This record gives sequence, C-alpha cells and structure tokens, in this order.
Amino acid sequence: NAGVTQTPKFRVLKTGQSMTLLCAQDMNHEYMYWYRQDPGMGLRLIHYSVGEGTTAKGEVPDGYNVSRLKKQNFLLGLESAAPSQTSVYFCASTRTGGFRQFFGPGTRLTVL
Amino acid sequence: AQKITQTQPGMFVQEKEAVTLDCTYDTSDPSYGLFWYKQPSSGEMIFLIYQGSYDQQNATEGRYSLNFQKARKSANLVISASQLGDSAMYFCAMREGPGANNLFFGTGTRLTVIP
Repeated sequence: NAGVTQTPKFRVLKTGQSMTLLCAQDMNHEYMYWYRQDPGMGLRLIHYSVGEGTTAKGEVPDGYNVSRLKKQNFLLGLESAAPSQTSVYFCASTRTGGFRQFFGPGTRLTVL
Repeated sequence: AQKITQTQPGMFVQEKEAVTLDCTYDTSDPSYGLFWYKQPSSGEMIFLIYQGSYDQQNATEGRYSLNFQKARKSANLVISASQLGDSAMYFCAMREGPGANNLFFGTGTRLTVIP
C-alpha cells in the first residue's frame, strides 16, 4: 500500500500561472482533504470531499478549485497563482466512520 | 476565537525525561475528537494519539499519553522517556461534531530533545 501520495513534491510558479496538484489514495477512503501549511501556523483546510463527485469548501477556499472525479483521486487547482499561495500543501484521507486522517508527504509550492 | 490553542512555541527536554505539551480547545459541540500529530523536519504528518469526547479514560499509545481534562477543555500530550528522535513540531487538532472529519489545527510546539 502506497497510502496517500502527492504529485508533484516541489513546484515553482510565476504569478498568474495555473497548475494542478494531484492527490491519490489506495485505501478506498471516502473522505479526502486539502490543507495548506504556512510558517508559524498549523494546517488549514482548503476544500474537502465526502465522496466521488462531491466537494465542499473549507476554511480558506478562495483562489482554489477542486475536483473528485474518481474516488481515489482528489485534484487541487490554482487558476491564477498569487504569491500569497506560497505554502506547503497536504492532502489527507479517511474512511467513513473513521477518525484518523492519513496524510500525504506534502507539496512545497512557491509562487514568485 | 481559536478552536485550538497551543501556547508553547518551543520546548526543551532532557533525553529520557518526560515532557508535557499543552493544548486547549474551544467548542460547544458535545461530540468532538482531539488529536496529536508529529511533524519531523522531513515534513510528513505522523498521527500519534486520539481522544474522543465521550471516552472515559485517557488515551495512551506507547510512550504517548493524552491528559484529557474535559472541564478545563485541555488535551495535553505527555511524552515519557524522551528520545532524540522525538525532536519535531507537534500539532494538536480537533474534529468537531458527530460524523465530522474536518480537522482544526493549533499553531504547533517545537520540541527539542537535548542529549
């Protein structure tokens, strides 16, 4: 089992560019999440999904879009990157009725 | 108001000693869960321990125990017999409400274990 994987691990963007972060899990989990972690702060929830084809906004959703076309994948998109989106992005998943979230290794994104 | 507060930005502990990392939480929901995660310098988030609001006993996992004081709304992490590998950031987090899985995180405590 690979658990939760994230692609890419690192990325540098210029302001205004777009990109998609991919999260994949092989644990058949229903719930998936995208968080961002900024220096001196804990993780904050961007968007989440409670199942294939569903998404919902978290605490800091502005500037991001997500899609969950397949149960095992959760995509995070930045349509027009801004320097304020420089952060480390974590994906997580959990099963229905479970409490523990399993985290991916993170993606370090820098927007110049 | 912050849902999770960690007031210790940094802590030092001597190897083999015990250390307590503080966490207080704020919720009006009777059903909630409290977590501690470890984040080493490599960056991954490692689950350590979980305490449900209805659990009668404090959670324990090996050298980790959670000192759950419901009336004080505190969920402190106790690490016994500290090891050099325990040096890391530690985050307290809460899920709020039955069936909810979204986590709210504190700002973390950086623990340094001194040989």
